[in-house]
Amino acid sequence: SQELEQSPQSLIVQEGKNLTINCTSSKTLYGLYWYKQKYGEGLIFLMMLQKGGEEKSHEKITAKLDEKKQQSSLHITASQPSHAGIYLCGAVYSGAGSYQLTFGKGTKLSVIP
Amino acid sequence: DVKVTQSSRYLVKRTGEKVFLECVQDMDHENMFWYRQDPGLGLRLIYFSYDVKMKEKGDIPEGYSVSREKKERFSLILESASTNQTSMYLCASSLPGLVVFFGEGSRLTVL
Repeated sequence: SQELEQSPQSLIVQEGKNLTINCTSSKTLYGLYWYKQKYGEGLIFLMMLQKGGEEKSHEKITAKLDEKKQQSSLHITASQPSHAGIYLCGAVYSGAGSYQLTFGKGTKLSVIP
Repeated sequence: DVKVTQSSRYLVKRTGEKVFLECVQDMDHENMFWYRQDPGLGLRLIYFSYDVKMKEKGDIPEGYSVSREKKERFSLILESASTNQTSMYLCASSLPGLVVFFGEGSRLTVL
């Protein structure tokens, strides 16, 4: 079974609305990354979380990691068409070695003007 | 500015051809990675390298090999391309424990 589950798979929101994307791990996370991807392009780094209870914000996007370090959420406030894309969470399960990322399958966000 | 450059954005190859996908980073990163991305399957790790001339298999190494002769360059090689290797290939690099940066991707079609 998938170690990292993202929900929802897709999301359509009206411009100006708030939304939340969730990322749940079956194992304790060492770290959690959020990326955004435009169709057919590479991944753009958004935020990295490592400590239980940590919260980070950049412009209108806030990401949180729960205390148990098994779930993260990405919240967008007052969504805009520029927020549209695929949001991916990537998990690191070990602090040793090369820091391989295991990814969720992504959440496709559409924002209707 | 951070830069991971993949040599080709789009490639079309024939079954059985040898294919090279090149990736260069200018950040002096130790770690480099190759992923493939497919609809419904997400990103899957093919190979990674944590030092020059070092390589480790990821989750789906079959049908692929890699080369890292210099720190800044990590090549993915398809010895004999097959149609099931049609995919989006993404290269990434990082320092240990820090942000993983991705290239723009190379979309490979094998006919």
